[in-house]
Amino acid sequence: GAGVSQSPSNKVTEKGKDVELRCDPISGHTALYWYRQSLGQGLEFLIYFQGNSAPDKSGLPSDRFSAERTGGSVSTLTIQRTQQEDSAVYLCASSPQAGGFTDTQYFGPGTRLTVL
Amino acid sequence: AQTVTQSQPEMSVQEAETVTLSCTYDTSESDYYLFWYKQPPSRQMILVIRQEAYKQQNATENRFSVNFQKAAKSFSLKISDSQLGDAAMYFCAYRGAAGNKLTFGGGTRVLVKP
Repeated sequence: GAGVSQSPSNKVTEKGKDVELRCDPISGHTALYWYRQSLGQGLEFLIYFQGNSAPDKSGLPSDRFSAERTGGSVSTLTIQRTQQEDSAVYLCASSPQAGGFTDTQYFGPGTRLTVL
Repeated sequence: AQTVTQSQPEMSVQEAETVTLSCTYDTSESDYYLFWYKQPPSRQMILVIRQEAYKQQNATENRFSVNFQKAAKSFSLKISDSQLGDAAMYFCAYRGAAGNKLTFGGGTRVLVKP
């Protein structure tokens, strides 16, 4: 079946602009994750959604970052007033369920964000 | 908080030879899961192998195997009969049994020489 898809593949924006990154998880997966991969910080957890539960936002670096998941499927990560330090690859992952060994996360190809 | 350390920024291996990547972690939890992911230039993270902490038997997936030493908090990956397609960044990752997020190491770049 289809894997996790993300769009756009690459995004170049100007400092101060807002951007939206999209993630389509694997069909049937109830858990969805966002991570950020940057040269200075490595791979960092940002946010996690599980079904209809309140998301775990503990990894969001500032209030400029937000995410939503509509209908338990597609997710959008929004970065407001982008800064140059937001430049990174944003990775989305999904898993069949939260917890347990079967909760292996499958990743999308990422969105490379460049803030000029 | 859990931490994952990969002490080798880069490893080089001759095609058909074996290479071992190191990973150590720090946790106070007794039950958890460990993973190795491969990230080729395409950026997509691909699961290589996974291990449950309560299992003493080391996981094996074809040419990939792990050496899991729970007491030492060590989780190394061995790639046997290395192929050109194995060239990539390899990340070790930890997840608590009750948790959700993955904590990643800094990665090891594997170069395969023909």
